[in-house]
Amino acid sequence: AQSVAQPEDQVNVAEGNPLTVKCTYSVSGNPYLFWYVQYPNRGLQFLLKYITGDNLVKGSYGFEAEFNKSQTSFHLKKPSALVSDSALYFCAVRDVRGDSSYKLIFGSGTRLLVRP
Amino acid sequence: EAGVTQFPSHSVIEKGQTVTLRCDPISGHDNLYWYRRVMGKEIKFLLHFVKESKQDESGMPNNRFLAERTGGTYSTLKVQPAELEDSGVYFCASSQAQRRTEAFFGQGTRLTVV
Repeated sequence: AQSVAQPEDQVNVAEGNPLTVKCTYSVSGNPYLFWYVQYPNRGLQFLLKYITGDNLVKGSYGFEAEFNKSQTSFHLKKPSALVSDSALYFCAVRDVRGDSSYKLIFGSGTRLLVRP
Repeated sequence: EAGVTQFPSHSVIEKGQTVTLRCDPISGHDNLYWYRRVMGKEIKFLLHFVKESKQDESGMPNNRFLAERTGGTYSTLKVQPAELEDSGVYFCASSQAQRRTEAFFGQGTRLTVV
């Protein structure tokens, strides 16, 4: 069965420090991987995706993520955190097989708190 | 370009009543999805429309939930009769035709059943 794990309910980091939000996945085929962010009282906003090619993908607001096939991980990173990055982050996977659904499988979310 | 729009943003109803949620996708997006997040848990897939056809409804919890997408434009999700466990945030999303494209989400409808 397809699944996504975000092992940390919350990540705390000081402003200016690097941040990592972890995500691992399990799919039977090759994955398309996505990160979304939800700010308070807002919908989910797309941050970045991995489809194919370079394992390091860059997205919005200075975020990047590294696809690691051997570790089945897609960790979200940012070199220097901002207080405004504080939000709820969701990792999601879509199976790439032609006969599979377009649905996204989400992790449980990780709350990022950046302190001044 | 307008994003995905959902209405209402909040709804509080009594157990046994009916509620209808509406979603207007991004213009030109053939794919429309419904998801929900219950009690702060993970966001779970409900169903997927391609134009007006239901492509995948494997996530619909039971027959109290009915989704429609008349004419392949906006979609409605009706819950009848509502139960306490239906409380949560219902998200709608839309995407272009290709599987590799990202889905764009609305702001969600927070449903509270009391």
